[in-house]
Amino acid sequence: ETGVTQSPTHLIKTRGQQVTLRCSSQSGHNTVSWYQQALGQGPQFIFQYYREEENGRGNFPPRFSGLQFPNYSSELNVNALELDDSALYLCASSLVVGAIAEAFFGQGTRLTVV
Amino acid sequence: GQQVMQIPQYQHVQEGEDFTTYCNSSTTLSNIQWYKQRPGGHPVFLIQLVKSGEVKKQKRLTFQFGEAKKNSSLHITATQTTDVGTYFCAIVEGSQGNLIFGKGTKLSVKP
Repeated sequence: ETGVTQSPTHLIKTRGQQVTLRCSSQSGHNTVSWYQQALGQGPQFIFQYYREEENGRGNFPPRFSGLQFPNYSSELNVNALELDDSALYLCASSLVVGAIAEAFFGQGTRLTVV
Repeated sequence: GQQVMQIPQYQHVQEGEDFTTYCNSSTTLSNIQWYKQRPGGHPVFLIQLVKSGEVKKQKRLTFQFGEAKKNSSLHITATQTTDVGTYFCAIVEGSQGNLIFGKGTKLSVKP
C-alpha cells in the first residue's frame, strides 16, 4: 500500500465532456505527478506539481490542466474529452532522498470516453 | 527528449526458467529505475541505478547498469507465477523526478 489514493477508480464520459480526477498524495510528499497510460503502453508524463506550482509538463495539450492544494492533494482536469483520452490515469507522489527519487503510484483512474 | 527502448515486448516462460528484459538508450543516462506493474495494478518501484557498471540484487532479481550508462537489464532467476506482470524501465528527469518510461516487457509464467 503506497498511501497514494485516487478517485474515482473508474469513469465513463462522453466525447466533448470535461472530467476531474483526484489524488491524495502520501503524507510528507510535496511533489505530485500525473501520468497517462494507454492500454499496452508505458505511463506517459503529463505534468508535475511542486508546492502548488506546475514544475514540468510533458507533451500534452492545454486542455489537460491541474491543481495542487496546500495539503499537497491534486486534481487533473481534462476538457473537451476525445476518444483517445481513454486510458488509465496515474498519480504519483515522490520522495527524493539523496540521489534516489522513488515514485509512489496510486491505483489509478480508468477513464473511458465514448 | 530522452527515450528508452525496451526489449522484448513480451516474454512467455515456463515456471523455473530465467527471464531477462533489456533497456537501451542512444544517450548517456544519469540514472535508471525499474518498476513492476501487476495485471490490473499500478507501477511499483523496484530499484534505481546511478553508477556505471552497477549491479544490484534483490533475492532472485538482478539489476545491471551498463558501463557506458546507455543500457540496463533486469534478470529474474527461476521465475515463479508471482513474477507475472509488466516490467518497465524509466529515466528520472528534472530536479523533482518526473519519469520517462519504456514501453515495458510483459512477462507471463506458465506453471
